Amino acid sequence: NAGVTQTPKFQVLKTGQSMTLQCAQDMNHEYMSWYRQDPGMGLRLIHYSVGAGITDQGEVPNGYNVSRSTTEDFPLRLLSAAPSQTSVYFCASSPRQESYEQYFGPGTRLTVT
Amino acid sequence: GENVEQHPSTLSVQEGDSAVIKCTYSDSASNYFPWYKQELGKRPQLIIDIRSNVGEKKDQRIAVTLNKTAKHFSLHITETQPEDSAVYFCAVRDTGRRALTFGSGTRLQVQP
Repeated sequence: NAGVTQTPKFQVLKTGQSMTLQCAQDMNHEYMSWYRQDPGMGLRLIHYSVGAGITDQGEVPNGYNVSRSTTEDFPLRLLSAAPSQTSVYFCASSPRQESYEQYFGPGTRLTVT
Repeated sequence: GENVEQHPSTLSVQEGDSAVIKCTYSDSASNYFPWYKQELGKRPQLIIDIRSNVGEKKDQRIAVTLNKTAKHFSLHITETQPEDSAVYFCAVRDTGRRALTFGSGTRLQVQP
């Protein structure tokens, strides 16, 4: 299993541009989440999903959209990038049962200039 | 939503000493409390976790204790080694969102 994969690893955007961060998992996990981590801080929840077709907002959802058309994929869209969205973005997944453990992807480092 | 506070923000110990990091949380219904270690430029790695029906859990040099009444839990690392140097995060599973709320992190430095 590849686990949780994220692309790209690094991205530089100009203010106002849009882009999609990709996240995929091959463990058939029902729960998936997006977090952002600013320098010297903990991770903050952006959006999460409890299954295909079901998404909801986390702690810091403004400026981001998500969709979950399949169990495997959970893309994060930045609608109009702002410098305040410069951060490292982590995707995570967890199974609904057996364990609450979250499996993190390697992260995407995004810089908005 | 859940609120998690973590202390201290930095901790420096001598190799071989013990290190203790503490977290408090706000939602008494929370039921899962993991600890993550994050090295520079890497993803968070789960090092130990505990569920609300258990008061203490140990894995070699690492232990976690949970006090549900007081709503706090702690990470204990004994016989620290230089490779324990990293940022440690506590987290609490938000029962409503089924995702994690993280503490702000503790930078642990183990001096050889």
